[in-house]
This record gives sequence, structure tokens and C-alpha cells, in this order.
Amino acid sequence: NAGVTQTPKFRVLKTGQSMTLLCAQDMNHEYMYWYRQDPGMGLRLIHYSVGEGTTAKGEVPDGYNVSRLKKQNFLLGLESAAPSQTSVYFCASRRLAGAGWEETQYFGPGTRLLVL
Amino acid sequence: LAKTTQPISMDSYEGQEVNITCSHNNIATNDYITWYQQFPSQGPRFIIQGYKTKVTNEVASLFIPADRKSSTLSLPRVSLSDTAVYYCLVKKPDKLIFGTGTRLQVFP
Repeated sequence: NAGVTQTPKFRVLKTGQSMTLLCAQDMNHEYMYWYRQDPGMGLRLIHYSVGEGTTAKGEVPDGYNVSRLKKQNFLLGLESAAPSQTSVYFCASRRLAGAGWEETQYFGPGTRLLVL
Repeated sequence: LAKTTQPISMDSYEGQEVNITCSHNNIATNDYITWYQQFPSQGPRFIIQGYKTKVTNEVASLFIPADRKSSTLSLPRVSLSDTAVYYCLVKKPDKLIFGTGTRLQVFP
């Protein structure tokens, strides 16, 4: 049971390039999330998904797109990278059970992205 | 948006009890309070959560007064390995709202 994994661990992009970050979870969780974390700040929610085939915007969605074609995977795309998107990106997932209050989010190890 | 406010940093010594207070004035009726711990270069890790009164687990205690506008995370007898950033979060039905966190430094 690997939990939540993220690919790649580190990437350098030039302004205007595109890339996709992959998040995978093997816990059969319904909910998945993408966050970004900038130096000295807490995590900010980019997009999230409450189930396969569904996505929703979070706090800072501009410049990002997501897809949840399979329950275990949640992809985060940058169509045209900008220096302002230099950050550490974290993926998380959680189970849906009962009222949902009790369930914990499990985080991946993060992807460091540098946009030049 | 129900964001939280907590001290930017705290210092402590090994073996002491540490209390980190968080305010969440705009918490909604259906929101829970949850705390996460984050070490450098790692994702956040769940510590404890609660709705009101007191919750205790093997790691920490969480105190939430009746008005629920604040909460206090209590770490008993901290060790050097407890040096980390601690986030107080409002937990909504489908997402977490992170604040800026409290950087706890534990000295020998």
C-alpha cells in the first residue's frame, strides 16, 4: 500500500511550456485534491474532485486544469507555465464515509516545480 | 471564507507542554476543526480533529470552547522531533481551509 504518490518529484520548466503532474492513490478514495504551497505560506487549494469524472475549482484555480478519468488518478495540468506558478504542489485524497466529517486527508510527498 | 489565525512561531524546550491557540471566528455550524503537522519537504500529516469540547488521542489533545471561535492544540512533553509547522484548519464537508501555520521550534 503506497498511499498517495506524485510524479515527478521535481521539474524545471521554461515560461510558456506545458506539463502534467500525476497523482495516484491506491486506497480507493473518492475525494482527491491538488494544493500549492509557497514559501512561508500554508497550502492553497487549486482544484479538487469528489469522484471519478468530476472536478471542482478551489481557491486558486486560474492557470491550471485537472482531470479525473480514473478513480485512482488525479492529473494537474499547466497549459502555459508562468514564473508565478513556481511552487511545491501537493496532492491529497480521502475516503467518503458517513457524513464525511471523520475522514482524514492523506497527502503525497509533493512535486517541486520551478518555472524560469 | 473561514480561514484561521494562529501565531507565526513558538519556541519550547524538550519535555515541556506546548499549547498552540487558533482563532476561527467565521466557523460555520457544519465545520470541524482539524490540525495537521508538516515537516520540511513532506506533505502535511493529520494530528487531531474535533467539533467541540475536548478530544484526546495518543499524540495530542484538542480543546474547543462552546462558542467554537477558537481552539487549542496541546502537545504534552514535546521532543526535538516535534519541531515542525502546525496548521489549524477549518474542515468543510468537501475541503480543508489552510491558514499560514505555526512554526514550532523545540530546543534541547
